Amino acid sequence: EVQLVESGGGLVQPGGSLRLSCVASGFTFSNSWMSWVRQAPGRGLEWVANIKQDGSEEYYADSVKGRFTISRENAKMSVHLQMTSLRAEDTAVYFCAREEEVGRQWLSYGTYRYFYAVDVWGQGTTVTVSS
Amino acid sequence: DIQMTQSPSSLSAFVGDRVTIACRASQSITNYLNWYRQKPGKAPQLLIYGASTLQSGVPSRFSGSGSGTDFTLTISSLQPEDFATYYCQQSHSAPRTFGQGTNLEIK
Repeated sequence: EVQLVESGGGLVQPGGSLRLSCVASGFTFSNSWMSWVRQAPGRGLEWVANIKQDGSEEYYADSVKGRFTISRENAKMSVHLQMTSLRAEDTAVYFCAREEEVGRQWLSYGTYRYFYAVDVWGQGTTVTVSS
Repeated sequence: DIQMTQSPSSLSAFVGDRVTIACRASQSITNYLNWYRQKPGKAPQLLIYGASTLQSGVPSRFSGSGSGTDFTLTISSLQPEDFATYYCQQSHSAPRTFGQGTNLEIK
């Protein structure tokens, strides 16, 4: 069974740090982009960061750039989110997610267009930033 | 960054109704557009990618269309499990922004 299990959430004071982890199972982890997506209480989904299969590329939402770092350990089938300088607005459920190539479209000029989407989600871990 | 705007923010309908949700990108994303459904207390589920391709296992009452900056998700005959929140997301470039969501409620 394909599964993602997050851990590391909790209560932290403003300005503090927290490290989230996500362990994958049931698929070839090293073949997949991995992402973190968060959802503040009663709010919508916010994409946070993602990391390429070999860890050579990382991308971040502007709201967390410079404060959060995504990393991965393919041998341990895990991805992490190091969060520093936490703010009240970082309070959310954080979902670990697999971003997979879900399809491709043949283009008339002899190449493909590749489509990526989150097709597997963890159950989420809650981060609360409060004094 | 590409901004995604959904409309309406909320919608009420009856079981069996046909509903349409719109999503607009702040710049062209060709057809790099995904749709998700999120039921209360659950993780989201991928419905459509590439603007119009149904993910495996998704019922055929769901359909998507559009290209460039304007997209729509249509549910042809609402079922009780469809009362949920729907999100569009662009996969054209990072950051992979989501729309703010459309809450579909039962009337």
